[in-house]
Amino acid sequence: DADVTQTPRNRITKTGKRIMLECSQTKGHDRMYWYRQDPGLGLQLIYYSFDVKDINKGEISDGYSVSRQAQAKFSLSLESAIPNQTALYFCATSDTGTVNEQFFGPGTRLTVL
Amino acid sequence: KQEVTQIPAALSVPEGENLVLNCSFTDSAIYNLQWFRQDPGKGLTSLLLIQSSQREQTSGRLNASLDKSSGRSTLYIAASQPGDSATYLCAVSRPPGSARQLTFGSGTQLTVLP
Repeated sequence: DADVTQTPRNRITKTGKRIMLECSQTKGHDRMYWYRQDPGLGLQLIYYSFDVKDINKGEISDGYSVSRQAQAKFSLSLESAIPNQTALYFCATSDTGTVNEQFFGPGTRLTVL
Repeated sequence: KQEVTQIPAALSVPEGENLVLNCSFTDSAIYNLQWFRQDPGKGLTSLLLIQSSQREQTSGRLNASLDKSSGRSTLYIAASQPGDSATYLCAVSRPPGSARQLTFGSGTQLTVLP
């Protein structure tokens, strides 16, 4: 079984709808991240969480919110989706050691019409 | 602001060839550098991580080098195979606690022809 899972894998929605993307991990890591990837570009950090009570904005947090329900679960919400939020979304985890190697989920492809 | 550049954006080589992918970054104050592989419809797979105090890491046919002073890293793939076809991303990390945990390049799309 995959260490980092994301649901759904694909989602098509309409402008103005509220969307939640979910991420679960079995690696036992404290740190979790949400990134988005636009075609032909690298990944950009949306939000990150160092533990259940520590949530921080990344580079491009506007229009997004997150919830860290447990050590293993980190959800990303789009309160009112807009077409330029169409992208590939990745969840990642890392431990609290000095190496800070990140491990990624399979991604969620979101299309906002 | 850290910027990461990968050149070329796309590369096509015949099977069996040795090849080098390049990654450059503008701020040498990095914590570590990670090379990832991305396959269509799948997530990122971590290939190699080089800490800032290291100069290279090896895993099988892959060798990654790091020159912090010049802001460069290379990923060497020996004896390439069609299964190596994927997009390769490099990412640099600032110390834990920074707002930007990883800054990514836009990737090199590699095609290995049978």
